[in-house]
Amino acid sequence: GENVEQHPSTLSVQEGDSAVIKCTYSDSASNYFPWYKQELGKRPQLIIDIRSNVGEKKDQRIAVTLNKTAKHFSLHITETQPEDSAVYFCAAFYFSGGYNKLIFGAGTRLAVHP
Amino acid sequence: SQTIHQWPATLVQPVGSPLSLECTVEGTSNPNLYWYRQAAGRGLQLLFYSVGIGQISSEVPQNLSASRPQDRQFILSSKKLLLSDSGFYLCAWSVLAGVETQYFGPGTRLLVL
Repeated sequence: GENVEQHPSTLSVQEGDSAVIKCTYSDSASNYFPWYKQELGKRPQLIIDIRSNVGEKKDQRIAVTLNKTAKHFSLHITETQPEDSAVYFCAAFYFSGGYNKLIFGAGTRLAVHP
Repeated sequence: SQTIHQWPATLVQPVGSPLSLECTVEGTSNPNLYWYRQAAGRGLQLLFYSVGIGQISSEVPQNLSASRPQDRQFILSSKKLLLSDSGFYLCAWSVLAGVETQYFGPGTRLLVL
């Protein structure tokens, strides 16, 4: 069935270090992979996304890579800052009987220590 | 630009009471609409999605229901709340056609006592 696994569940880094979060998906037909950042008590906000026709996308300190063969994608944050502390969710897009939906990973709680 | 609203922002209800949460979207037509629930410290659980007026698909069996009386209005309801219904309820929208991003509303925090 539809499933997205996300690792690690928690990640603690020192300010300035890099952070990497990994996700795997089950349906090879999935073709869109967004990443959301959720600060405490707030709504999830899209930070970057990638479609299946590219292997990598970068936006300043954030990058996402996609390996369609292995069915996994990763979020890379470089030069982390305390304001990067949040829960990060990956997601994979599925077509389901004419409906479109995102299947989310369980989330990664990132803590960046000054 | 598109805007999504949810109300109320917070709600405290006794067990067994009814529930009605509302979500509206501005600045777009014929959106896909979604209801998610997020338990404290947990992930996002898709509850319902809708591709048009009166068209609702339920993801999980539960005592909640959803309705879409207008193109840009999505309502989440319950006749009798359970303790387990507590959580953060998020409405989201996306463009109907194609593979598009979902954008979340500000959410309603529900506490059932």
